[in-house]
Amino acid sequence: EDQVTQSPEALRLQEGESSSLNCSYTVSGLRGLFWYRQDPGKGPEFLFTLYSAGEEKEKERLKATLTKKESFLHITAPKPEDSATYLCAVQGGSQGNLIFGKGTKLSVKP
Amino acid sequence: DGGITQSPKYLFRKEGQNVTLSCEQNLNHDAMYWYRQDPGQGLRLIYYSQIVNDFQKGDIAEGYSVSREKKESFPLTVTSAQKNPTAFYLCASRGAGGIGNQPQHFGDGTRLSIL
Repeated sequence: EDQVTQSPEALRLQEGESSSLNCSYTVSGLRGLFWYRQDPGKGPEFLFTLYSAGEEKEKERLKATLTKKESFLHITAPKPEDSATYLCAVQGGSQGNLIFGKGTKLSVKP
Repeated sequence: DGGITQSPKYLFRKEGQNVTLSCEQNLNHDAMYWYRQDPGQGLRLIYYSQIVNDFQKGDIAEGYSVSREKKESFPLTVTSAQKNPTAFYLCASRGAGGIGNQPQHFGDGTRLSIL
């Protein structure tokens, strides 16, 4: 059964304190791993797609990496505006359906 | 601007009442999806549609119904058979281009509560 586990559930950082969020997955035939950001009361906002082990993508202070079993979202020198819930999802079938993790709630204090 | 519009933002349902949530997209996407989000849980798939006039059940379709008469529109009806409808409902769409590896893009959700 396809499964996605995100850790930690919550992460509190001081502004400028770099850290990483983890997404472990089990899927038969990975077609893509997706990272989203979700602000309270809003829909998820697409950040990155990773397709194969070793791939990396960057956007501002965020960098996503992928291995055969997990993905990391590295946050370098975070700012308070990076506070949000970060969702990871995998797609393993041809229908385009995603399996989501429960998310990591990030809080960055000034 | 292209995007996905969900309405209303807040919706209240009385006992025994059916309610319909609207989802419209102007991205020219073929595929559309409905998810339910509960606190502490991941998004769960209710229904999806890959093409007009066709749709499939997701993991938690019981108590819900959909239609796909137009490419731009994918309304979700929460029926009285859904005994625990209080949740945040999210609509998404995905374009073609590669087999199933384009990202899904989301609307800003409808929060449904019971009166």
